[in-house]
Amino acid sequence: GQQLNQSPQSMFIQEGEDVSMNCTSSSIFNTWLWYKQDPGEGPVLLIALYKAGELTSNGRLTAQFGITRKDSFLNISASIPSDVGIYFCAGHIGNTPLVFGKGTRLSVIA
Amino acid sequence: DVKVTQSSRYLVKRTGEKVFLECVQDMDHENMFWYRQDPGLGLRLIYFSYDVKMKEKGDIPEGYSVSREKKERFSLILESASTNQTSMYLCASSLSWGASYQPQHFGDGTRLSIL
Repeated sequence: GQQLNQSPQSMFIQEGEDVSMNCTSSSIFNTWLWYKQDPGEGPVLLIALYKAGELTSNGRLTAQFGITRKDSFLNISASIPSDVGIYFCAGHIGNTPLVFGKGTRLSVIA
Repeated sequence: DVKVTQSSRYLVKRTGEKVFLECVQDMDHENMFWYRQDPGLGLRLIYFSYDVKMKEKGDIPEGYSVSREKKERFSLILESASTNQTSMYLCASSLSWGASYQPQHFGDGTRLSIL
């Protein structure tokens, strides 16, 4: 099936640093989503983007729907230890299931 | 809040057994999904259902079947469990796709080990 290219695969950062991750696709999407999965839990929705060029914030998180509709970015500012987890991007178009990236594993060093 | 409940957090079964994983959602969602999650491979869709008694194959349906007899419940069945089906299994649900997309909500997962 179709897949998204999510990068980086993993990140080790110091507490307080900013984090950036992105997702790209060879085809367009109408919706981009970002999920976070804490260890031992299911993914939880962080941000949903519905319009090309849209920039949306949720606390220290900011995500953007790329203008070409083929990419999306997630930024986390001033990271804290509870930001640890796996971040997934997902794209959607039409009456088909979500397409997921393989995830970015974030580790925060206090 | 949407609640997606998976019947077991941890499950250990033997090779060749028939295994049932159950998922229930409480928000009257039309769509339900089963994924497996393996390190480095992300989330892979096994089967999904967009209505009662309806099912569609995902990307990796081999060795699995599903059942949706009631709107709130979606079961994943491993007909004859094998060791390569050891994995984390995640259930999700969403409203129908319709005119605007409705995000999926996930359960906490079942970590299945096949010995």
